Amino acid sequence: QSVLTQPPSTSGTPGQRVTISCSGSSSNIGGNSVYWYQQLPGTAPKLLIYRDNQRPSGVPDRFSGSKSGTSASLAISGLRSEDEADYYCATWDDSLSGWVFGGGTKLTVL
Amino acid sequence: EVQLVESGGALVQPGGSLRLSCAASGFTFSSSWMTWVRQAPGKGLEWVANIKQDGSEKYYVDSVKGRFTISRDNAKNSLYLQMNSLRAEDTAVYYCAGGSGWGYWGQGTLVTVSS
Repeated sequence: QSVLTQPPSTSGTPGQRVTISCSGSSSNIGGNSVYWYQQLPGTAPKLLIYRDNQRPSGVPDRFSGSKSGTSASLAISGLRSEDEADYYCATWDDSLSGWVFGGGTKLTVL
Repeated sequence: EVQLVESGGALVQPGGSLRLSCAASGFTFSSSWMTWVRQAPGKGLEWVANIKQDGSEKYYVDSVKGRFTISRDNAKNSLYLQMNSLRAEDTAVYYCAGGSGWGYWGQGTLVTVSS
């Protein structure tokens, strides 16, 4: 069982907006930056969002991150078929003195 | 172009040892925290260990403490993971990652622990 809780799956149709939640606690999300990674089938993870809501260069502005209290969210607008992937949130946990990942959310584009 | 290339993955028996390597290029390796992340077959990502730029701080997930050792050689732009007393549950693809926010990832190397 992961320290950070994500829904196992979500889906949407092309052009739609979807959000993926990541729930934690005061020892992790509540006090540290959240990162989001996209993992396409058979490939290494890719950084999507860093420091809660910052996009690395090259990541489309369709992807956005937000955080409130002990929860974070990844929003994907204008959904495209190539967005079909697994998405993970991650942050540092002060109590564990280590990094923790969410269990991952599989996004299906219908 | 940034590259992280892992090597050293193999089939090993329970209780055995393995040393993974990660060769970095295209970014200032010596200025970056470096990390090992693993992914068991069909499962999610799990952080394993990370190491500060000068090697003075190291952190491990509880399940590998006392068995795995992370190290680095900044002169060779290389990251290592020495894995001892391997267990079946250590079977996974091991990725090295670095850069700000783990913006750089290798392609991964497969470690299989089985008799």
